[in-house]
Amino acid sequence: GESVGLHLPTLSVQEGDNSIINCAYSNSASDYFIWYKQESGKGPQFIIDIRSNMDKRQGQRVTVLLNKTVKHLSLQIAATQPGDSAVYFCAESHTGRRALTFGSGTRLQVQP
Amino acid sequence: SQTIHQWPATLVQPVGSPLSLECTVEGTSNPNLYWYRQAAGRGLQLLFYSVGIGQISSEVPQNLSASRPQDRQFILSSKKLLLSDSGFYLCAWSLGTVQETQYFGPGTRLLVL
Repeated sequence: GESVGLHLPTLSVQEGDNSIINCAYSNSASDYFIWYKQESGKGPQFIIDIRSNMDKRQGQRVTVLLNKTVKHLSLQIAATQPGDSAVYFCAESHTGRRALTFGSGTRLQVQP
Repeated sequence: SQTIHQWPATLVQPVGSPLSLECTVEGTSNPNLYWYRQAAGRGLQLLFYSVGIGQISSEVPQNLSASRPQDRQFILSSKKLLLSDSGFYLCAWSLGTVQETQYFGPGTRLLVL
C-alpha cells in the first residue's frame, strides 16, 4: 500500500545554518509531491511543490529535490531562521487520485 | 483572494453527543473540498473529499459523515461522538481535476470527554 514517511522525527539546527528535511515514499505511481509547514495550533501552510517530471525546484530560501530512482524527497531551507521552527510534512499524490497522502512529519527546531 | 474559514476553533463535547463542524471557502468557485483529522503529534489522515455539491467520497470507515449543501460549504458531522474522535480537524480546498495544491483552514480542535 501507499506510505509516505520521514527519516528524522526531530531536527535541531543553529540559526543561519541550512536545514535538510528528508522524506521517503513507496508508491511508484506518485507523480506530485508537496511540502507543508505547520506551526503549533495552526493549519498546514503550503511551502513548495514538485511534479515528477522535475528533479529540483527552488523557491524563496527553499529547494525541493526529487530522486525518483530511490523514491526520496528532500526540503532544503537556506539560512534557517527562528521563524522556520515548525513541523514539516511531505505529501504525495498520483494521477487519478484527488487527495494527498501525508507523512508523519519532522519537527524543525532552530537554536538561536 | 481565496480564504477558508472553519468554526468553531475549539470544541469540548461529551461522549455520545452530536457534532457539526463547518468549513466555508470564499473567493473561488467549484473547489474540491477535504476533511482531514490530525491526532496529537501525528500526520494528517484524509476523512472525506468532495468534488461538487452533494458529492462525498469517504476514505475511511468511521463514526463521522460529511455533507456539502452548497458549493463552498463543507460540513463534518457525527450523531454520537466517541472518545477516539478527539483530534484536530482540518478542512482544505483545491482547484482542478488533477492534483493541485491544497490550502488548509485554521482547524478545529475537538476534545471528547
